[in-house]
Amino acid sequence: EAQVTQNPRYLITVTGKKLTVTCSQNMNHEYMSWYRQDPGLGLRQIYYSMNVEVTDKGDVPEGYKVSRKEKRNFPLILESPSPNQTSLYFCASSLAVGLQPQHFGDGTRLSIL
Amino acid sequence: GENVEQHPSTLSVQEGDSAVIKCTYSDSASNYFPWYKQELGKRPQLIIDIRSNVGEKKDQRIAVTLNKTAKHFSLHITETQPEDSAVYFCAPGGSNYKLTFGKGTLLTVNP
Repeated sequence: EAQVTQNPRYLITVTGKKLTVTCSQNMNHEYMSWYRQDPGLGLRQIYYSMNVEVTDKGDVPEGYKVSRKEKRNFPLILESPSPNQTSLYFCASSLAVGLQPQHFGDGTRLSIL
Repeated sequence: GENVEQHPSTLSVQEGDSAVIKCTYSDSASNYFPWYKQELGKRPQLIIDIRSNVGEKKDQRIAVTLNKTAKHFSLHITETQPEDSAVYFCAPGGSNYKLTFGKGTLLTVNP
């Protein structure tokens, strides 16, 4: 089944404790991206990747890191999480950016205390 | 970057009525115009999209219309049903790698 898989689905952690949210897709998609969703603000892009080893900042990259060592995986890293990063996070992929729809994972609800 | 605005932010209709949500954008080079539906607690999913060489596309009760000159496109839902209740997002794109979503429209269909 074609899908985008995120883990974990839920995480409660404390300020400053490094964490990684994994994202994997099995559709051989070139483009992958991370979004955070906050009430009233919609989906805001954090980082995106056009292909292996090619990443760039979205609209809200501060406090986040990403890597794209393999085509299928695009982890989101919070080196020193803070409470303002408490949010619902979505990973998405598409065959190519532009004329193709985004396929979203099921989301990760992150709470930073 | 792309400036994307959706209106209205909330919309309440009676079952069977029509609903229209409008998305305006700033990048005249945009050439792909999708609409996503996000049900409560679920992930966003594409429901319909249109490309710039087409003015309108219809799929059963939903349709998208595009006005490239005025830089806006709209989602039309006819004969609304309670299961249409969700948040709808637009995300015009195609001109660069960064994607900007609208802030969303909460549609409530009252039985």
